[in-house]
Amino acid sequence: QLMESGGGVVQPGRSLTLSCSASGFAFSSYGMHWVRQAPGKGLEWVAVIWFDGTNDYYADSVKGRFTISRDNSKTTLYLQMSSLRGEDTAVYYCARDRDIFGYYGMDVWGRGTTVTVSS
Amino acid sequence: SYVLTQPPSVSVAPGETARITCGGNEIGTKAVHWYQQKPGQAPLLVIYYDGERPSGIPERFSGSNSGNTATLAISGVEAGDEADYYCQLWNSGPYHSWVFGGGTKLTVL
Repeated sequence: QLMESGGGVVQPGRSLTLSCSASGFAFSSYGMHWVRQAPGKGLEWVAVIWFDGTNDYYADSVKGRFTISRDNSKTTLYLQMSSLRGEDTAVYYCARDRDIFGYYGMDVWGRGTTVTVSS
Repeated sequence: SYVLTQPPSVSVAPGETARITCGGNEIGTKAVHWYQQKPGQAPLLVIYYDGERPSGIPERFSGSNSGNTATLAISGVEAGDEADYYCQLWNSGPYHSWVFGGGTKLTVL
């Protein structure tokens, strides 16, 4: 029901955009998150966007460099990543929240897409 | 920023009850969610809003939250429960933030 794409190998300082295609549910009725997991590490929340796209929030580690957005007509979530660093290397998951704003738990997850930042 | 503290590992014999804690300042005033992650897989929500189970999650999984500690309990532990478990919450305040605990590796002996 959620499928990420757009990952790959990118040089430090460059940009990359991830996509998450949703199906099988009313996409426009849910808050959506990006969560990442560096190799061998735990989960790190990255960003959230409200159901209608009117509000978004970011982890301090990506604020000012990453932008979350959504196109409800295309049932697709995006993560624009710029000024990438080695510490951004991770599997990136998109996840649906149980709530329109993103407050009540992530109940549907994609399989993830891998981003490797390396020269 | 708000910090959630989990023990790195918990070990339990099959059939016993595993308890995984998640510590945070006045965490009892916040809604805590728990995720199970097996190697190579995406996380799975097993408890939301402190103690509610999503459909399809066995009754063996339960949660509680009070004071400075939230707890995930798994009764009648099975080999298939071996996984990493993460607590997570939304922290309101001057700037909203979403936080995961560091994760706990559950080993079934």
